[in-house]
Amino acid sequence: DAGVIQSPRHEVTEMGQEVTLRCKPISGHNSLFWYRQTMMRGLELLIYFNNNVPIDDSGMPEDRFSAKMPNASFSTLKIQPSEPRDSAVYFCASNSGGANYGYTFGSGTRLTVV
Amino acid sequence: SQQGEEDPQALSIQEGENATMNCSYKTSINNLQWYRQNSGRGLVHLILIRSNEREKHSGRLRVTLDTSKKSSSLLITASRAADTASYFCATDEGYIPTFGRGTSLIVHP
Repeated sequence: DAGVIQSPRHEVTEMGQEVTLRCKPISGHNSLFWYRQTMMRGLELLIYFNNNVPIDDSGMPEDRFSAKMPNASFSTLKIQPSEPRDSAVYFCASNSGGANYGYTFGSGTRLTVV
Repeated sequence: SQQGEEDPQALSIQEGENATMNCSYKTSINNLQWYRQNSGRGLVHLILIRSNEREKHSGRLRVTLDTSKKSSSLLITASRAADTASYFCATDEGYIPTFGRGTSLIVHP
């Protein structure tokens, strides 16, 4: 298995533009997580899906952020409109079996909003 | 706020020495996990220890858990330059792993 695949690896965009980050979880994993990592705040959970259904989106900063999981093999995180404070590394992670098993992370998308 | 907090924030050692990192957490847990993150990469799962376990080994890694003190430690023995990375503990708040800010380990060759 190629692991959790995220795209793009790097994204530079202008303030106000729409940004879409993509994630392909490991086949067979039924849980998917989106995290954001910054120096100031560390790793923050944004949203958690189980069996393609959003379970907890309390970490989504505001309405500018939205996430979807249309099927078991694909998820998107969209920011519209983007702001400079959204600059961070965004990670997707997947897992099978719940909290008693390790999580597999993608390599992340480094987003820079100028 | 983070559930787990690692200590120290940074650790610098020579190759061959042992490295010990600690994690403290606030509420009761079902398990605690340790992850490694190399610069510019995603987190890699190292080891999971359940609340009813006190110690676990994996290669050069040794993890202990003291639920009475709400703390865990990660020991890397005979460190190598390739162990240079950030190390995070994660505790489960229900079904979600919550990460600390990590310990940055530098192993000098």
